[in-house]
Amino acid sequence: DTAVSQTPKYLVTQMGNDKSIKCEQNLGHDTMYWYKQDSKKFLKIMFSYNNKELIINETVPNRFSPKSPDKAHLNLHINSLELGDSAVYFCASSQGWRSEAFFGQGTRLTVV
Amino acid sequence: TQLLEQSPQFLSIQEGENLTVYCNSSSVFSSLQWYRQEPGEGPVLLVTVVTGGEVKKLKRLTFQFGDARKDSSLHITAAQPGDTGLYLCAGAGAGSYQLTFGKGTKLSVIP
Repeated sequence: DTAVSQTPKYLVTQMGNDKSIKCEQNLGHDTMYWYKQDSKKFLKIMFSYNNKELIINETVPNRFSPKSPDKAHLNLHINSLELGDSAVYFCASSQGWRSEAFFGQGTRLTVV
Repeated sequence: TQLLEQSPQFLSIQEGENLTVYCNSSSVFSSLQWYRQEPGEGPVLLVTVVTGGEVKKLKRLTFQFGDARKDSSLHITAAQPGDTGLYLCAGAGAGSYQLTFGKGTKLSVIP
């Protein structure tokens, strides 16, 4: 019974394409996140949603657009993919701001 | 921006040895979490510390939160190959939804 699941696990695509990554959590949490982990393993927050509302939007190109249709889902759409977008993207959820974050398995995005 | 510095960045030790990983900041955090990440997986929470000076133990792992809530350490006793992984500390500021992660310590325990 997966708590935070994201799809796909691997994504290889050409520059200029548009792609989406989906995330779902079945923990009943009210806060969801997208993180980017670069090749040096540094985890950096991109977006945070609380009860479907955007509360954190770090300095991320506007080619990245998160969408939260409901509390259990937070999808990430990326337009006009660039080589520098290659990374592992993690979805996570938590209950409130102080509680532990539960991470998905990650989506390894490779832009060629 | 709150920054967390982790040291060392890489650590390779023999099975049975002890080790300590440090997480330091000039900022005060309301809570600090430690995660372990294995290849191809997402980070998994090990512990959360919230009180200055707090010490928590998880089997052979001992976590300490600094008195001023600006730093933390993770001590592993008698390391085993199963401890191998990337250890990440993450701090939450007061009233913030944002977790700030350190850059991690990659631990390899050689049998």
